[in-house]
Amino acid sequence: DAGVTQSPTHLIKTRGQQVTLRCSPKSGHDTVSWYQQALGQGPQFIFQYYEEEERQRGNFPDRFSGHQFPNYSSELNVNALLLGDSALYLCASSLGTLDSYNEQFFGPGTRLTVL
Amino acid sequence: AQKVTQAQTEISVVEKEDVTLDCVYETRDTTYYLFWYKQPPSGELVFLIRRNSFDEQNEISGRYSWNFQKSTSSFNFTITASQVVDSAVYFCALFSSNTGKLIFGQGTTLQVKP
Repeated sequence: DAGVTQSPTHLIKTRGQQVTLRCSPKSGHDTVSWYQQALGQGPQFIFQYYEEEERQRGNFPDRFSGHQFPNYSSELNVNALLLGDSALYLCASSLGTLDSYNEQFFGPGTRLTVL
Repeated sequence: AQKVTQAQTEISVVEKEDVTLDCVYETRDTTYYLFWYKQPPSGELVFLIRRNSFDEQNEISGRYSWNFQKSTSSFNFTITASQVVDSAVYFCALFSSNTGKLIFGQGTTLQVKP
């Protein structure tokens, strides 16, 4: 049973570019959450997708957008990259809706470096 | 406002010492969950424990133990007889059923020296 997978593992972009990160949830999970973890900080919640809709969002600008596909996989898109977007981006999958908690399983992350 | 504070940025111990990682949280919700995660250098967050706000029983799992005290809004984590493999960054986190968000603390880097 595969866990949460993310691609790519590492990515280098320049300021102003756009990037797409991908996440495949653990088998049987229908909810995907994305987190940004800057160096030396704890993960910060970006948004969560359930039933192909963004159901909850953290304090991130509109440059951060996402999508969830019918197979529950998800993409995180960041436009107009800034140096400050350099971070580890973590994807977590779970089963269920927002009003109840089910354990989130985290992927290994994508390390994004913006030059 | 929801907040998790891990006041200890870095802790260094010698193998076999006991070590306690502190976590203090803030929330106005009556129903919430508290977590500890371990993040080794590989980056993947490893789930260690979950506690809901109605269960203040302390828990022990092998060399790990957790002390949850609602009166002081604390959820501390103790590693007994630490080992080099325990070296990692440890995060305390809070989930509120009202907001549906998982809020992490800043993390504590634990270094266990042989």
